[in-house]
Amino acid sequence: NAGVTQTPKFRVLKTGQSMTLLCAQDMNHEYMYWYRQDPGMGLRLIHYSVGEGTTAKGEVPDGYNVSRLKKQNFLLGLESAAPSQTSVYFCASAHGRPRGDTGELFFGEGSRLTVL
Amino acid sequence: QQPVQSPQAVILREGEDAVINCSSSKALYSVHWYRQKHGEAPVFLMILLKGGEQKGHEKISASFNEKKQQSSLYLTASQLSYSGTYFCGTGGTGGFKTIFGAGTRLFVKA
Repeated sequence: NAGVTQTPKFRVLKTGQSMTLLCAQDMNHEYMYWYRQDPGMGLRLIHYSVGEGTTAKGEVPDGYNVSRLKKQNFLLGLESAAPSQTSVYFCASAHGRPRGDTGELFFGEGSRLTVL
Repeated sequence: QQPVQSPQAVILREGEDAVINCSSSKALYSVHWYRQKHGEAPVFLMILLKGGEQKGHEKISASFNEKKQQSSLYLTASQLSYSGTYFCGTGGTGGFKTIFGAGTRLFVKA
């Protein structure tokens, strides 16, 4: 049981390049999330999805796009990378609780992205 | 809006106790607590739902005061393994997302 898997683990981009981070979960979770982590800022929510085919903006969505074409996958795209997007990106998934709380978040190992 | 955690950092000797606080300016439905070791993913500790629920995890427990929109994490008789960064995450009523605070760095020394 792999849980939440992120690819790639590391990537270096030049300013203006594009890339996609892939998150895959094998727990049949409805909810999936992309967070970025920067020193002193904690985990900030970029985008999230509450089911296949749905996406919504989080706290810091600018410069990112997402897609959830399949329930088990959540893709994070950077169309034109900027140095400010240098960060560690974490994907998470959750089963969800009946009254709206997400329930326990299961995190991937993280993807370290550097934009030069 | 991010919840506010305090203190930002704390240094303990093994066996000492610590309290980490988390407060929000918005009404809370739930509070999550996670611990992250350096270079690793955050790991779930516990969830508290509104209604004064308290939870425990080994020698780590937490409380949730929904009226004050606050939660506190209590670490008793700290162990070296407790070192890491602790994050609180908050959920609003009927929400589908968890918003995290900036974290509290805890270092336990022998």
